[in-house]
Amino acid sequence: DTAVSQTPKYLVTQMGNDKSIKCEQNLGHDTMYWYKQDSKKFLKIMFSYNNKELIINETVPNRFSPKSPDKAHLNLHINSLELGDSAVYFCASSYGGAGTDTQYFGPGTRLTVL
Amino acid sequence: SQKIEQNSEALNIQEGKTATLTCNYTNYSPAYLQWYRQDPGRGPVFLLLIRENEKEKRKERLKVTFDTTLKQSLFHITASQPADSATYLCAPGRYNQGGKLIFGQGTELSVKP
Repeated sequence: DTAVSQTPKYLVTQMGNDKSIKCEQNLGHDTMYWYKQDSKKFLKIMFSYNNKELIINETVPNRFSPKSPDKAHLNLHINSLELGDSAVYFCASSYGGAGTDTQYFGPGTRLTVL
Repeated sequence: SQKIEQNSEALNIQEGKTATLTCNYTNYSPAYLQWYRQDPGRGPVFLLLIRENEKEKRKERLKVTFDTTLKQSLFHITASQPADSATYLCAPGRYNQGGKLIFGQGTELSVKP
């Protein structure tokens, strides 16, 4: 059983389009995260939710909107895609929101904006 | 602004040797550090957590140290194996920040047979 799953694994789209990435965890965790990993491999936190409540909202363009329908799911919707949005997006989850909690990462979604 | 720096160049070592990776931080006072391993095309996987009141932590062939005076964490893999080849990420954090970790850019380790 996959603990943290993301769909799709690859996403190729044109500038200006709107796209969504879905994330699901079956670990029973309360906290979920979205990270962006750019071409230089830096992994940066974008958002975190604890039990459907937004906890972390880093300096991310408001074209990015996370949505958590329940604590097992955290989706990422991106409007008006730009070239600079090309990256690998990782979803993660942890038992609680403490920074000492282990974060379990999904396999990533490689987004390419043409 | 806070900065997390890891060896930017890849580390190449011979099988059986000890690999030592560094993580330095500036303008930051983390209360703990997590270390993760990332294989190509996959998400990071947790390895070890060390808190500021712990000087050293071990898990099988892995050892992590945390020196708050030097603002540095060292990650050691003893008796390295080709299967240890991966990118290793350090991620310091502070309490009461909603679980926020600040990741370094990672060090790519290659263990040759």
